[in-house]
Amino acid sequence: DAGVIQSPRHEVTEMGQEVTLRCKPISGHDYLFWYRQTMMRGLELLIYFNNNVPIDDSGMPEDRFSAKMPNASFSTLKIQPSEPRDSAVYFCASRLSSQGDEQFFGPGTRLTVL
Amino acid sequence: EDQVTQSPEALRLQEGESSSLNCSYTVSGLRGLFWYRQDPGKGPEFLFTLYSAGEEKEKERLKATLTKKESFLHITAPKPEDSATYLCAASAGGGGNKLTFGTGTQLKVEL
Repeated sequence: DAGVIQSPRHEVTEMGQEVTLRCKPISGHDYLFWYRQTMMRGLELLIYFNNNVPIDDSGMPEDRFSAKMPNASFSTLKIQPSEPRDSAVYFCASRLSSQGDEQFFGPGTRLTVL
Repeated sequence: EDQVTQSPEALRLQEGESSSLNCSYTVSGLRGLFWYRQDPGKGPEFLFTLYSAGEEKEKERLKATLTKKESFLHITAPKPEDSATYLCAASAGGGGNKLTFGTGTQLKVEL
């Protein structure tokens, strides 16, 4: 079975540019999560969706960050404009609520903002 | 504020040398305690979920236990392939969707 798919795996951009990260959750999962991982702060939840509806975005750091889930098999995390302090690894995870609380993570996107 | 603290930050073991990793948590109304393994350049891989004090779960050389204040990940006779960062996370009541992660223990097992 395919796991969570993220693209791109690596992104290098310049400060001020728009960045879009993409995620395809595990088929049938009803929850989708976006996390950010840095050396200083570890793994932090940014936002999560249930059945394509955003439930909690309290972890989104600033208005420069936005996330959408137009359908059950696709989500995006957008940063506009990007700043060097946004450099991190961004993970997407999904969960099937009828099978427990476990979240399954994708391989991540390593973002570098110059 | 929910908080999860892991110790030690790093641990170096010889192959076959058993040890334990610690995860202390302060969460209002713990719903679940999770352990993940993360290899360099990869996403966290789910290992265990524990829901109540006294619960234990095992997988190969790993055993996770839970008390009311902390969780332990016991590694018995580790092998080099057990080298990874082990992350602990806690979720509070309600939907249990908001995981608070610790910063991890980086384990290296040497021959």
